Amino acid sequence: AQSVTQLDSQVPVFEEAPVELRCNYSSSVSVYLFWYVQYPNQGLQLLLKYLSGSTLVKGINGFEAEFNKSQTSFHLRKPSVHISDTAEYFCAVTRGQGGKLIFGQGTELSVKP
Amino acid sequence: DTGVSQNPRHKITKRGQNVTFRCDPISEHNRLYWYRQTLGQGPEFLTYFQNEAQLEKSRLLSDRFSAERPKGSFSTLEIQRTEQGDSAMYLCASSLAGTAEAFFGQGTRLTVV
Repeated sequence: AQSVTQLDSQVPVFEEAPVELRCNYSSSVSVYLFWYVQYPNQGLQLLLKYLSGSTLVKGINGFEAEFNKSQTSFHLRKPSVHISDTAEYFCAVTRGQGGKLIFGQGTELSVKP
Repeated sequence: DTGVSQNPRHKITKRGQNVTFRCDPISEHNRLYWYRQTLGQGPEFLTYFQNEAQLEKSRLLSDRFSAERPKGSFSTLEIQRTEQGDSAMYLCASSLAGTAEAFFGQGTRLTVV
């Protein structure tokens, strides 16, 4: 079975600083990896996904993530955050195309002026 | 098409009452998923359909929960004899079979008093 661990429940950061949100997964089979963002009382919006190919994946809003198979990690990064990036971020994994998503517990990113 | 639509957005009900939520997926998507998200947690998979067939149900889906997708388009999730522990955000997502990306609706927030 797959599982996802987000290593930080809260990440406070100042505006224009870089940020990294950490995600580790476990699976005995190949997986697809995703990062979603959730604003208060909203659904989830896809930031980026890794299916295959280049291990560095670029997404929306200036975010990127790197798939590291040997470390079973998929950390999310942004070189310079904005106040508007304040939200909950979820890492997720699925075993096959179109399968159910297994989510981590979430990381609350709080960007301060 | 404006995406996945969920109704109602909010529902307050008394313990013991039945509630029903509706999800309208993106029109060409043949897969539809239901997730439940409690405060401070990541979404948890409940069930999913491919067309009108319910292909998988989580153990979280007790006998009080039932989901249908009668014509392979919209879906309903019914909770009978609601309990306070059912209070959560219920999220619907849809995707095209053979693709990995799921699109989420805004969710229905259920409060059982």
